[in-house]
Amino acid sequence: DAGVIQSPRHEVTEMGQEVTLRCKPISGHDYLFWYRQTMMRGLELLIYFNNNVPIDDSGMPEDRFSAKMPNASFSTLKIQPSEPRDSAVYFCASSKELQGAYGYTFGSGTRLTVV
Amino acid sequence: SQQGEEDPQALSIQEGENATMNCSYKTSINNLQWYRQNSGRGLVHLILIRSNEREKHSGRLRVTLDTSKKSSSLLITASRAADTASYFCASSYYNQGGKLIFGQGTELSVKP
Repeated sequence: DAGVIQSPRHEVTEMGQEVTLRCKPISGHDYLFWYRQTMMRGLELLIYFNNNVPIDDSGMPEDRFSAKMPNASFSTLKIQPSEPRDSAVYFCASSKELQGAYGYTFGSGTRLTVV
Repeated sequence: SQQGEEDPQALSIQEGENATMNCSYKTSINNLQWYRQNSGRGLVHLILIRSNEREKHSGRLRVTLDTSKKSSSLLITASRAADTASYFCASSYYNQGGKLIFGQGTELSVKP
């Protein structure tokens, strides 16, 4: 298995532009998570899906953030419009269970820089 | 926030020494997990301990859980330079539906 695949690895964009981050989870994993990592706030859970349905989006910081999972093998996290404070590393993770009895598998992350 | 705390924030040791990292959590948990993150990479799952367990081993890793103190420790024995990374604990809280909440991490540096 290739693991969780995220794209792009790096993204540099100007303030006000739309940014779309992509994730392909591990086949057979029913849960998909989007986390954001910053020095100040650490690793924050933004949203998670179960069987392609968004379950908990309480961590999404603002309406500028949206996430979709149109099928079991693809998810997107969109920021529109982007702001400099959105600069962070965004991770996608997938798991068979919410409690992670076998652990969560993380992608390599997308490093977003908004200038 | 239910984000737990980890200490120390940073730890520097020599190869061959043992490294101990601590994690505290806030309320009742289903399990507690430890992850490693190498610089510029994603997190990798190391070991899980359930709330009814007190100690688990995996290779050079030993994890303990003290539910009365709401704390856990990760011990890496006979450390190697390749163990240099950040280590995170993650708690699966009952009152959060079980989703994982990560601590701030401990940055471990193992000098050859």
